[in-house]
Amino acid sequence: DAGVIQSPRHEVTEMGQEVTLRCKPISGHNSLFWYRQTMMRGLELLIYFNNNVPIDDSGMPEDRFSAKMPNASFSTLKIQPSEPRDSAVYFCASSPESERTEAFFGQGTRLTVV
Amino acid sequence: SQQGEEDPQALSIQEGENATMNCSYKTSINNLQWYRQNSGRGLVHLILIRSNEREKHSGRLRVTLDTSKKSSSLLITASRAADTASYFCATGAAGNKLTFGGGTRVLVKP
Repeated sequence: DAGVIQSPRHEVTEMGQEVTLRCKPISGHNSLFWYRQTMMRGLELLIYFNNNVPIDDSGMPEDRFSAKMPNASFSTLKIQPSEPRDSAVYFCASSPESERTEAFFGQGTRLTVV
Repeated sequence: SQQGEEDPQALSIQEGENATMNCSYKTSINNLQWYRQNSGRGLVHLILIRSNEREKHSGRLRVTLDTSKKSSSLLITASRAADTASYFCATGAAGNKLTFGGGTRVLVKP
């Protein structure tokens, strides 16, 4: 398996623009996580899904952020409109089953909002 | 919000020495995991210890868990330059929620 695949790897956008980050989890994994990593705030859990259903989105910072998982093989994280303080590395991770196993991380998307 | 807090925030040791880092957490957990992150890369899972376990070994790694103190430690024995990375603890809670701490930056000098 190719692992968790995120795209794009790098994104530079202007303030106010819409940004969509994409994630393909490992086939057969039931849980999917979106994290944001910054120097100031560390690694924050934004939202996670079990079996395509959002379970906890309490980490989503604002209504400008939204995430979807239309099927077991694809998820998106959208920021609209983007702001400079959204600049960070966004990681997607997937896990094969609930409560017993490790998470596998993608390589991340480095987002820069100017 | 972060569930786990690592201590120390940074650690510098000589190759061959042992590295110990600690993690404290606040709420009940199903398991506690340790991950490594090399600069600019995604996190890689190292070891998982369940809430009913007290100690676990994997190669040069030793993890302990004290649920009464809500703390865990990661020991890397006989460190190598390749162990230079950031290390994170993560707590696994009900519903498979996985929350990370702030990390410990480890520098192993050759």
